[in-house]
Amino acid sequence: GAVVSQHPSRVICKSGTSVKIECRSLDFQATTMFWYRQFPKQSLMLMATSNEGSKATYEQGVEKDKFLINHASLTLSTLTVTSAHPEDSSFYICSARDSKTRIRGELFFGEGSRLTVL
Amino acid sequence: QQQVKQSPQSLIVQKGGISIINCAYENTAFDYFPWYQQFPGKGPALLIAIRPDVSEKKEGRFTISFNKSAKQFSLHIMDSQPGDSATYFCAASSTSNTGKLIFGQGTTLQVKP
Repeated sequence: GAVVSQHPSRVICKSGTSVKIECRSLDFQATTMFWYRQFPKQSLMLMATSNEGSKATYEQGVEKDKFLINHASLTLSTLTVTSAHPEDSSFYICSARDSKTRIRGELFFGEGSRLTVL
Repeated sequence: QQQVKQSPQSLIVQKGGISIINCAYENTAFDYFPWYQQFPGKGPALLIAIRPDVSEKKEGRFTISFNKSAKQFSLHIMDSQPGDSATYFCAASSTSNTGKLIFGQGTTLQVKP
């Protein structure tokens, strides 16, 4: 199946610093990618929809200035957590939809990035 | 209207038994209903998915049953194995819209040997 790669898989940072997480679709083009956040033993909560070449659409309650999303190419979206604080510690997961088969609805997920803010 | 409600929260099944997880939705615009399996520390992996034009889909030991009028769908895992122990999420999306998936709350399945 289609592969979505996330990097880094784990990152530890100090409070106040910024962290960038990359999401790449390896064998398909994705005009749309989605970023999710998952706390321990909880479900995946959609943070934003990332659209190639345009601004991301954020879900209600998600601070767009804190979670910067850039989708500069058809295979890469990045999530930057700015001025991270301990409460931002979470598992961040991206997903991508193959532009050629978008009508089928399938989303392919990355392996996730575990962020720990000290 | 965007919610997808999933039950039970946790489930314990004996090896060889049938695991059943249920989901319900409100938004009639949803037209794609996948199930994902997630192991600790990993991203979710697509198990099986269904569209509202069919009432059942089977792939190996996994079956989705879909009831459009009741706006409910369920996952059945036949001959459950210890390796099936994981968290399962149902989800729904409207493919004609953004296609964003809305997830259920998740079910932690434990299959005892």
